[in-house]
Amino acid sequence: KNQVEQSPQSLIILEGKNCTLQCNYTVSPFSNLRWYKQDTGRGPVSLTIMTFSENTKSNGRYTATLDADTKQSSLHITASQLSDSASYICVVSAEETGFQKLVFGTGTRLLVSP
Amino acid sequence: EAEVAQSPRYKITEKSQAVAFWCDPISGHATLYWYRQILGQGPELLVQFQDESVVDDSQLPKDRFSAERLKGVDSTLKIQPAELGDSAMYLCASSTGDPGANVLTFGAGSRLTVL
Repeated sequence: KNQVEQSPQSLIILEGKNCTLQCNYTVSPFSNLRWYKQDTGRGPVSLTIMTFSENTKSNGRYTATLDADTKQSSLHITASQLSDSASYICVVSAEETGFQKLVFGTGTRLLVSP
Repeated sequence: EAEVAQSPRYKITEKSQAVAFWCDPISGHATLYWYRQILGQGPELLVQFQDESVVDDSQLPKDRFSAERLKGVDSTLKIQPAELGDSAMYLCASSTGDPGANVLTFGAGSRLTVL
């Protein structure tokens, strides 16, 4: 069964600190992995997208890694800001016949405290 | 920057009433998705369109939910009759549909409360 599991479920950190969010998946056949940021009451916004051959990708203070062998990904946030408080959702894409099927994780809720 | 438009942003209705949500994807995006997101959970796919055709509606409760994208552009999601358990955020997303790493762009969502 295609699944995406994220940890921790929630996290509180102090402003300025770094943190790392984890994503483990069992999705086949793998096409790509995406990280989204979702502010409360809003739609998700794409942070990064990585294909099988990519190990790391950065977007400002966000750096995502992908280990396709162990089927793990991480999202590292550097020098956190209050505006980083949001849910971070890992989404893995499986290549179905003619279209991509997306499998969503339940997200990690991050709270950055002053 | 191009956006996915959704309306209404908020809807409060009583159970057994009919509800409709509208989505206008980014111009040129062939693939359109409707997701339901219950508070504290990840989005769950309800239906996926490629142009005007449904490619995946396996998780759509077809006894009460319907979706259409008649001209392959904007789309409507309808619930009739609404039930208490339908209270959720309904998200629309679109993408180019090209093979490979195409990015979904989400709308701001429609928050439904069923009383």
